[in-house]
Amino acid sequence: GAVVSQHPSRVICKSGTSVKIECRSLDFQATTMFWYRQFPKKSLMLMATSNEGSKATYEQGVEKDKFLINHASLTLSTLTVTSAHPEDSSFYICSVIGLSGNTIYFGEGSWLTVV
Amino acid sequence: DAKTTQPTSMDCAEGRAANLPCNHSTISGNEYVYWYRQIHSQGPQYIIHGLKNNETNEMASLIITEDRKSSTLILPHATLRDTAVYYCIAYSGGGADGLTFGKGTHLIIQP
Repeated sequence: GAVVSQHPSRVICKSGTSVKIECRSLDFQATTMFWYRQFPKKSLMLMATSNEGSKATYEQGVEKDKFLINHASLTLSTLTVTSAHPEDSSFYICSVIGLSGNTIYFGEGSWLTVV
Repeated sequence: DAKTTQPTSMDCAEGRAANLPCNHSTISGNEYVYWYRQIHSQGPQYIIHGLKNNETNEMASLIITEDRKSSTLILPHATLRDTAVYYCIAYSGGGADGLTFGKGTHLIIQP
């Protein structure tokens, strides 16, 4: 069964608005979660590492004020795309680390379309 | 994490074994070889990982060369549902860093 759940699976929002994507670890508590972005026909790009109880760590080139990450509990991390623009339209995927620390599981992904 | 190199695409006949190669000549001693696959419009799915020894699970087998500079993922009896992009990733584990994805191999299973 699924280890990681994302919601919503698809969302359409208007330019200038904000949209929140949730990532839930279903089977275990996750102190660390990762957020990726994938453009059509491209590979996954790591955006940020979400740490429970502390600030997220962002990859170079990712605007932390635009992509707000909140990891308030051991089973939930949220990514909020603020003031969304059409170029933010993408497939956003989260992942969690398994209990052994050696396997990373991915959510089903969330398609964001900004119109 | 070490860089990996994979063919851009491969075809395989349904029912045959699909052998997907991966080069990771700069892999370090503490890095595992991981394989994930991504079916269109879905999140990546974990397949298998290994360090030195060959590994097998219900999905696939992983053959790692003795010098660890390359590996092969084997899907023993490919089905149409195995059509996906397959990613080979060198990762040291531990959970501090996320996975670095290359371009992967687009495996197309032909009926």
